[in-house]
Formats: sequence, structure tokens, C-alpha cells
Amino acid sequence: GAVVSQHPSWVICKSGTSVKIECRSLDFQATTMFWYRQFPKQSLMLMATSNEGSKATYEQGVEKDKFLINHASLTLSTLTVTSAHPEDSSFYICSARTLQGGKNIQYFGAGTRLSVL
Amino acid sequence: LAKTTQPISMDSYEGQEVNITCSHNNIATNDYITWYQQFPSQGPRFIIQGYKTKVTNEVASLFIPADRKSSTLSLPRVSLSDTAVYYCLVGDASGGSYIPTFGRGTSLIVHP
Repeated sequence: GAVVSQHPSWVICKSGTSVKIECRSLDFQATTMFWYRQFPKQSLMLMATSNEGSKATYEQGVEKDKFLINHASLTLSTLTVTSAHPEDSSFYICSARTLQGGKNIQYFGAGTRLSVL
Repeated sequence: LAKTTQPISMDSYEGQEVNITCSHNNIATNDYITWYQQFPSQGPRFIIQGYKTKVTNEVASLFIPADRKSSTLSLPRVSLSDTAVYYCLVGDASGGSYIPTFGRGTSLIVHP
């Protein structure tokens, strides 16, 4: 299957600082990427849909000024958690969509564990 | 979006075949059924996708009855490493606006 690289895999930061997470599609171009958040023992929650060259579409309840998304190329999307606080500690997962056999399939990154002290 | 219902958890033993059934009563004509596997602290991994009847790949089979209101993921001869959460997703995979939405998933525990 296609490979999606997410970096870093784990980050610890102080409260009030910003953290950037990168998501790259390594062997395919992704016009659309997605960012999810997952709390322990819970399912993935979609945060936003990122389209190359345009503004991201955020799900209800997700602050766009706090979670900045940039999708500057067909292979790279970034999520910046600005002024992080302990309640932002979570597992963040990106995914990229590609067309295979006429059908859309999403491939996911390995996730980023964010711990805000 | 079609809502899916799966068992919250299942237990099995090494070497057994495991069948996880997902209900999606209001599946739409253009909707596909996709299954993902997720290990703790990792992103979901694509397992299999199908539209009707049966689909098989090197890791699993997907059985879809004629009415498509349910689907069954079949894992042959599971091992301890198959312990994970399995998610069933339904959506129009042929459309450019498809956004996979995750339900609660099924936590499968494989015992020695």
C-alpha cells in the first residue's frame, strides 16, 4: 500500500508553545489530506480536511486559529498546534487520500503523540 | 453518512478464524465498505475494501450479502499479533468528497 510519513512521532512541549506536525505522502500525490485526533480508548475524531492550495475545512468545534493547517504541496500537509495547553495532549493522526482502481482509499500516518506539560 | 454498528469487543485464540460483522442498514447505492486495523499508538492500517459479494486479499476476506446491509471481515488463522481494534467504514469511495468517519470499532483480543 501507499506510504504516509508523519513526523515527529512523539513530542513533549511546555504549555504556551507551538508544535508543528508534518504529514507526507511518500509515493503518491494527495490532493486531500485529513487530520484526526484520538484520545485514549476512543475512536478517531476528524479535525479538518486539508486541500492542496486552499484553506482547510474544519469540523465543528475545532478552533481553526489554534490548529493551523497548511497544505502547500501535493505531498505535504502540516498541522501546527498553537499555544498548546495540557488539554491539547492527544494522539494526532494524518491521512492522505489516493485513487486506486477507481476508488478512494485513505492511508494513514503512524501518528504523533503530543504531551503538553 | 451510513452509520455502522460493530461489536465492541471479541475474543479468540491463536489459529482460529475470526469473523467480525458490521451492520450498516442505511448504506447508499454508491457506498463502499472499508475495514481498517489499528494497533495502540499507531495510525489505522488499510485492510480491505469491497462493494458486494466477496473480496479477498492476502490478509483477509470481506463478505457482503446481496442487500449490503451488513458485511463480515474474516481473518483466517489469527495470531497474537492480530490483537487490535478493527474499524468498519462505509462511504462513497468513488466520490471526491468521501471522508472516512470512524465509529467505535471492535477490539479483538487473541489469546495464546
